[in-house]
Amino acid sequence: RKEVEQDPGPFNVPEGATVAFNCTYSNSASQSFFWYRQDCRKEPKLLMSVYSSGNEDGRFTAQLNRASQYISLLIRDSKLSDSATYLCVVNGGGSYIPTFGRGTSLIVHP
Amino acid sequence: SQTIHQWPATLVQPVGSPLSLECTVEGTSNPNLYWYRQAAGRGLQLLFYSVGIGQISSEVPQNLSASRPQDRQFILSSKKLLLSDSGFYLCAWSGSSGSGTGELFFGEGSRLTVL
Repeated sequence: RKEVEQDPGPFNVPEGATVAFNCTYSNSASQSFFWYRQDCRKEPKLLMSVYSSGNEDGRFTAQLNRASQYISLLIRDSKLSDSATYLCVVNGGGSYIPTFGRGTSLIVHP
Repeated sequence: SQTIHQWPATLVQPVGSPLSLECTVEGTSNPNLYWYRQAAGRGLQLLFYSVGIGQISSEVPQNLSASRPQDRQFILSSKKLLLSDSGFYLCAWSGSSGSGTGELFFGEGSRLTVL
């Protein structure tokens, strides 16, 4: 079983749609969680951290479910500029090496 | 504020030639440093990480090596490149264990094509 799993997609949605990605992790002792965004041929950039209580940043909402060991990212009112690959990252649990999922590709079309 | 610089941005090398990619971090001390590789259409593969000067851990056996001659400098090298070494190489840093929440910050990457 992979440590961090994501649906690779692609998710193909129209502008204005709401889309959600899930990411599951296997290490129950994991302590910190993040979503990164990676544009084509660019480096990943931190999109948002994921807190136990959930957190929101504009159109983006991240949630953590420790019991089921998954995190989610919800994007409301999708924009063309949201097209990218979204990487789930899990850290801690006895290791300082962040573990990356393989990413979920999002394509927002007009 | 902290910044990370990585170079060169792009390079084309023949098979069998050497490689040296360099990464430096500014604005922080004793960072954890990482080298990742991303093949076309693939996920991030951790190659090396370092928690301090001269301390290098290898995640994947291969013809690459890494060195950390100074606290904020991380170098990826190869004596003889293979075709399979082509990819997008990313340097990253995070706060040392216990300092910060563990998020990674990436350099802009080095795109290597081996012909």
